[in-house]
Amino acid sequence: GDQVEQSPSALSLHEGTGSALRCNFTTTMRAVQWFRKNSRGSLINLFYLASGTKENGRLKSAFDSKERYSTLHIRDAQLEDSGTYFCAAEASSGSWQLIFGSGTQLTVMP
Amino acid sequence: DAGVTQTPRHEVAEKGQTIILKCEPVSGHNDLFWYRQTKIQGLELLSYFRSKSLMEDGGAFKDRFKAEMLNSSFSTLKIQPTEPKDSAVYLCASSSRDEQYFGPGTRLTVL
Repeated sequence: GDQVEQSPSALSLHEGTGSALRCNFTTTMRAVQWFRKNSRGSLINLFYLASGTKENGRLKSAFDSKERYSTLHIRDAQLEDSGTYFCAAEASSGSWQLIFGSGTQLTVMP
Repeated sequence: DAGVTQTPRHEVAEKGQTIILKCEPVSGHNDLFWYRQTKIQGLELLSYFRSKSLMEDGGAFKDRFKAEMLNSSFSTLKIQPTEPKDSAVYLCASSSRDEQYFGPGTRLTVL
């Protein structure tokens, strides 16, 4: 079965508001990465976490390996934040391959 | 500081053709990954190399897909023969230990 469940699949926000994306894991993961797909289609790294929280500007991410989830919080959303966001997890054993969530399509409206 | 580069950016092939996709990882990175992205399956791992050695070879893709890494700065993904269901974006990523850095991808269309 799916090892990474990402929600919501789509999210609409008005400028200046905020929300959170979430990924739940069916097994213990070693680390998680969050990406945003840019206009060229490339996946841009936002965060890499092996534990705890990280913050960068209006974005903040948390990862709890024991509780098997990760979140990405966006505050004061701007129009340029629109895009598709992915979480990806590294399994605790085996290779370094990433297991991706299905993505969240974020639309920020004026 | 060059990131992961992939060529070509777009490829159109006839069914049955052989195509070769190329990837140059970030200099100094030991791990290299090939992924395929489709709207139906999302991202799927095709191959994984560590220090040029093949570590993972996606079971479902073994018969027509072959990834090689002849040196630490260059990898190829050969699809032979191509089928229309191979139409997808093919992503290459490299990593030194933690974060993976992705290339821009190659969009393959098989007619």
